[in-house]
Amino acid sequence: DSGVTQTPKHLITATGQRVTLRCSPRSGDLSVYWYQQSLDQGLQFLIHYYNGEERAKGNILERFSAQQFPDLHSELNLSSLELGDSALYFCASSERGAGSYNEQFFGPGTRLTVL
Amino acid sequence: AQSVTQLGSHVSVSEGALVLLRCNYSSSVPPYLFWYVQYPNQGLQLLLKYTTGATLVKGINGFEAEFKKSETSFHLTKPSAHMSDAAEYFCAVSEDTGRRALTFGSGTRLQVQP
Repeated sequence: DSGVTQTPKHLITATGQRVTLRCSPRSGDLSVYWYQQSLDQGLQFLIHYYNGEERAKGNILERFSAQQFPDLHSELNLSSLELGDSALYFCASSERGAGSYNEQFFGPGTRLTVL
Repeated sequence: AQSVTQLGSHVSVSEGALVLLRCNYSSSVPPYLFWYVQYPNQGLQLLLKYTTGATLVKGINGFEAEFKKSETSFHLTKPSAHMSDAAEYFCAVSEDTGRRALTFGSGTRLQVQP
């Protein structure tokens, strides 16, 4: 158990809909990263938040957005869903303290199926 | 820009045989390198990491990897495969900049035959 929790575990929805995925980082971790894992694109970085602020963006679609709240949990919002958005969405957390690199701990993922 | 290439999407070994999973990276700055393992229907678990210092890195479950700058490689090895090692393995790179997101390779599925 990495200490990172994600809800829901599975999500089935229809095209055009909007969903919200939730991530709670390990206690004390300030950074949250979101990744998408799909068969055709592999594992791709979407977005990074540190202590409530967006720090970096990867291959995140404009239909997708995220935020990190004062209690450090994060939500990934996916809208106008398309069939191709079906994937496993992971969040990872790390401390990002000063000095040495802090490894990322991954949650179990949310499997999104768009029908 | 950084990138990772994992040679061989599928590797099959016999139980007790050497495991060798190949990873080559590209990075414009000294990289941080990682190997993660993913078991079916689970998240990613860190096996080992290279940041600085000793180039031979030991990880969990008997795995190790060697950072070779001249070859831009970070191959993962285990002397003797166990059935429980069957999983998907991902090599990843990160740069010590403000952006610390991981760039992953495409993964190698390891099959262990009895």
